[in-house]
Amino acid sequence: EAQVTQNPRYLITVTGKKLTVTCSQNMNHEYMSWYRQDPGLGLRQIYYSMNVEVTDKGDVPEGYKVSRKEKRNFPLILESPSPNQTSLYFCASSLTVAKNIQYFGAGTRLSVL
Amino acid sequence: GENVEQHPSTLSVQEGDSAVIKCTYSDSASNYFPWYKQELGKRPQLIIDIRSNVGEKKDQRIAVTLNKTAKHFSLHITETQPEDSAVYFCAASIGNQGGKLIFGQGTELSVKP
Repeated sequence: EAQVTQNPRYLITVTGKKLTVTCSQNMNHEYMSWYRQDPGLGLRQIYYSMNVEVTDKGDVPEGYKVSRKEKRNFPLILESPSPNQTSLYFCASSLTVAKNIQYFGAGTRLSVL
Repeated sequence: GENVEQHPSTLSVQEGDSAVIKCTYSDSASNYFPWYKQELGKRPQLIIDIRSNVGEKKDQRIAVTLNKTAKHFSLHITETQPEDSAVYFCAASIGNQGGKLIFGQGTELSVKP
């Protein structure tokens, strides 16, 4: 089954404790992206990747890191989480940026205390 | 910075009526405009998209129109049904690379039986 898998689905952590949210797709997609969703602000793009070893900043990259060492995985790293990073996070992928039908993961709800 | 404005923020219609959601964008280089539907507690799903070389695209009850001169695009849903109730997001690609997306703030559509 074609899917984008995020883990964990729910996470409660404390300020400053490094965490990683994993994202994996099994569709051999070149393009992957991370978004955060906050009430009243819609979806905001954090980082995206056009292909392996190619990553670029989205609209709100501050406080986040990503890596794309292999095609299927695109982890989101919070080196020192802060309460303003409490949010619902979505990973998405598409075949290419030109064929941009994005498939979203189920989401990760993160709370930073 | 670049932005996308979406209106209205809430929209209530009677079943069978039409619904129109409008978005304006600021980047004249934007060339890809997707629309996503997000049901409560679910992940966003692409429902229709349009590229800048096309003025209108239709898929059954859903259509999108694009006015590049005025930098706005709209989602039209005809013969609305209760299952159309959801939050709808527009987005626009930023720059000519296509990988970066800016989203509108969302429109909560309620279709009353």
